[in-house]
Formats: sequence, structure tokens, C-alpha cells
Amino acid sequence: NAGVTQTPKFQVLKTGQSMTLQCAQDMNHEYMSWYRQDPGMGLRLIHYSVGAGITDQGEVPNGYNVSRSTTEDFPLRLLSAAPSQTSVYFCASSPGQPNSGANVLTFGAGSRLTVL
Amino acid sequence: GNSVTQMEGPVTLSEEAFLTINCTYTATGYPSLFWYVQYPGEGLQLLLKATKADDKGSNKGFEATYRKETTSFHLEKGSVQVSDSAVYFCALTTNSGNTPLVFGKGTRLSVIA
Repeated sequence: NAGVTQTPKFQVLKTGQSMTLQCAQDMNHEYMSWYRQDPGMGLRLIHYSVGAGITDQGEVPNGYNVSRSTTEDFPLRLLSAAPSQTSVYFCASSPGQPNSGANVLTFGAGSRLTVL
Repeated sequence: GNSVTQMEGPVTLSEEAFLTINCTYTATGYPSLFWYVQYPGEGLQLLLKATKADDKGSNKGFEATYRKETTSFHLEKGSVQVSDSAVYFCALTTNSGNTPLVFGKGTRLSVIA
């Protein structure tokens, strides 16, 4: 089982460039989410989706767009990258909403983004 | 709202030492509590969980007990190994609506031989 696959693992952008971080899962999970991890800040939720066609904002959504056209894929788009978006990004999925102990998040290996 | 506070790191221990990483929480509703571990260069993975008061989660020699009276979920291990070096995250969710998982800031543990 591949689990949650994120690409690319590393990316360097210039300020103002756009890019998409890809996330795919092969576990038929309904819930998918994106977190960013910054030193001293822990993990903060950017956007999440409870199923195909449904997305919602998390704690830090500004500067990011998402879509969920299929159950398997949940790409994260940066339309105009800024240095403040330098971070490590994690995609995570679970069978249903992780609002109980029954639905545990499975994380990808992360994508390290640097914006110059 | 929901929040998690865990002890600041880094924590450096010698092999076979006793480990405690403190975690306290505030929550609206009835929380489920988790510890996740992140090994170097990897994503987070679930270490253990507890879904109701007085439950004890355990895995790989780690334990944590859900204490509702002190709103705590401290992580303990009796004898750490070098392979336990990682970042540990306490997290919670509640069973009220679209409640995402909320993480603490993480505690980095380094175990030296």
C-alpha cells in the first residue's frame, strides 16, 4: 500500500511564482487535509475536505487554494508564492472526519518548500 | 476553542532514562487525545490514543493516561532508546461537528548513548 503520496519532496520558488503540491491517497479515505509545519508553531491546518467536491478552510488558509475533484487527490495551490510560505507541508487523510478516536489521520512524508 | 499545550523542548536524555513529556488541553465538548511521533525526515505517525477519561493508551513502551480531572495526557516511557529520538506531538479532537485535529507545538527528544 502506498498510503498518502506527496510530490514534490522539495521545491524552491521565487516570490510571485505559482505551483501546486500534489497529494494522492489509495485508501479510499473520505477526509483529506493539508497542514504546514513551522519551527515553534507545530502543525497548523490550511484546508480540509470531507469528501469529493467539498472543501473548507482551516486555521491558516490565506494564500492557498484547494479542490477535491476525486476521492483520491487533494492538490494544494499557491497562486503567488511569498517568503512567509516557506515551510514543510503535510497532507493527511482518514476514513472519515477525525473528530473521534475511530478515524486516525495517515500522513504523507512531507513537501519542503522554500520561497526566495 | 480547542487547544493543546505541551512542554517546550528540546529534551535530551541518556539511554535507559525515564521520559515524561507533559501535555495539557482545553476543549469544548468531549475530546479524544492522541500522541503522534515524527522521526527525522518523515511524516507524523500515530503513537497512541485514548478516547475517554481514565483510558490508557500504550504502544512501543510508551504510555499516556487520559486525566479529565487535570485535563492532561502526559507521555511516559520507562527506558528510552536512541531510536526514540524524534519530535512528539500531542493532539486532540472533539466529537462536535467539523472539528479538525488540533496539535501542540511538538517536543523534540534526543536520546544519547
